[in-house]
Amino acid sequence: NAGVTQTPKFQVLKTGQSMTLQCAQDMNHNSMYWYRQDPGMGLRLIYYSASEGTTDKGEVPNGYNVSRLNKREFSLRLESAAPSQTSVYFCASSEAGRTNTIYFGEGSWLTVV
Amino acid sequence: GQQVMQIPQYQHVQEGEDFTTYCNSSTTLSNIQWYKQRPGGHPVFLIQLVKSGEVKKQKRLTFQFGEAKKNSSLHITATQTTDVGTYFCAGPTGNQFYFGTGTSLTVIP
Repeated sequence: NAGVTQTPKFQVLKTGQSMTLQCAQDMNHNSMYWYRQDPGMGLRLIYYSASEGTTDKGEVPNGYNVSRLNKREFSLRLESAAPSQTSVYFCASSEAGRTNTIYFGEGSWLTVV
Repeated sequence: GQQVMQIPQYQHVQEGEDFTTYCNSSTTLSNIQWYKQRPGGHPVFLIQLVKSGEVKKQKRLTFQFGEAKKNSSLHITATQTTDVGTYFCAGPTGNQFYFGTGTSLTVIP
């Protein structure tokens, strides 16, 4: 049981390049999330998906797009990477509802130069 | 929008000392969750508090939810080096969970 799997683990991009972070969960969860983590800023929600076929903006959506491909997969795309997007990105999932535990992937370290 | 603030941002303690982190929300929360992130790792769920004034314990960790359900605390008694990491609180708004800014704990042997 892998839980939440995200790839790649490390990536270096040049300014203006595009890339997609992939995420998959095998827990049959309805809700999936993308967070970014920066020093002193905690975990900030980029986008979330309450169920297959739906996505909504979080706190910091600018510069990102997402796709909920099916119930298992939720990808995050940077269309034109900027140095300000250098961060650690975490994908997460949970059962629907406010009282459910969030399970995180191991993180993707992205550097934009 | 909802804001969840934590203090302190950093805390260094000698091994064996106690540690407390505080979480404050700008809005009333239906519940609050606490997570721990080891250095280089990902956040891992510790506990959830739902009721006003609720207190829960996990060995040396004591979690408290305020009477107004707008604040919470995590207290660690007699810290150990295994307690090192960043502790986050998280509260829901709609279908989203907003995380606090985190408290990074360093334990000096």
